[in-house]
Amino acid sequence: GEDVEQSLFLSVREGDSSVINCTYTDSSSTYLYWYKQEPGAGLQLLTYIFSNMDMKQDQRLTVLLNKKDKHLSLRIADTQTGDSAIYFCAESMNDYKLSFGAGTTVTVRA
Amino acid sequence: GAGVSQTPSNKVTEKGKYVELRCDPISGHTALYWYRQSLGQGPEFLIYFQGTGAADDSGLPNDRFFAVRPEGSVSTLKIQRTERGDSAVYLCASSLASGGGDTQYFGPGTRLTVL
Repeated sequence: GEDVEQSLFLSVREGDSSVINCTYTDSSSTYLYWYKQEPGAGLQLLTYIFSNMDMKQDQRLTVLLNKKDKHLSLRIADTQTGDSAIYFCAESMNDYKLSFGAGTTVTVRA
Repeated sequence: GAGVSQTPSNKVTEKGKYVELRCDPISGHTALYWYRQSLGQGPEFLIYFQGTGAADDSGLPNDRFFAVRPEGSVSTLKIQRTERGDSAVYLCASSLASGGGDTQYFGPGTRLTVL
């Protein structure tokens, strides 16, 4: 079982913002990651945040980190059909071992 | 440049058989990782290599699982006496070095089905 927890499903209308939430357990994790997995494809790193940061923005992606509550979120602005995928939150354990959540399936509807 | 490649992409075997899964990391990457992803779950860590040596094999489920990386590049994950519960996608990743912030690049995975 995972120590990282995520909601399993999210449905969003095209053009709206998506927010995917994640909680993690290891307060010593130095990096937290968001990966994207499309059907039949490997995991693609979307973005990561260092634990001493509160926020990171990268084009349409915004990552928010609340270290006190061990809560991480990923916001995708102007969601497109190509954003339909499974999104995984992961924390780094011992600086190399990634511990993943079960993934949030994002479905973008027209 | 080429990404991480894994062969075969699919492997179907019978219970009790031996299988080998191969991973070719990105050239120059010293760190290599194996993960296992069961249906509907996130990847779970199996083993981590730094160079030729297994620096952490704490995720291997039991002694039927073994992995090698003899020349510090290609790695092979070996599973003896396969069981139906071994059915999963086996993912390989590599990074330039280990350590926080070093991006792990994942291959497409090998889907193993044990009948």
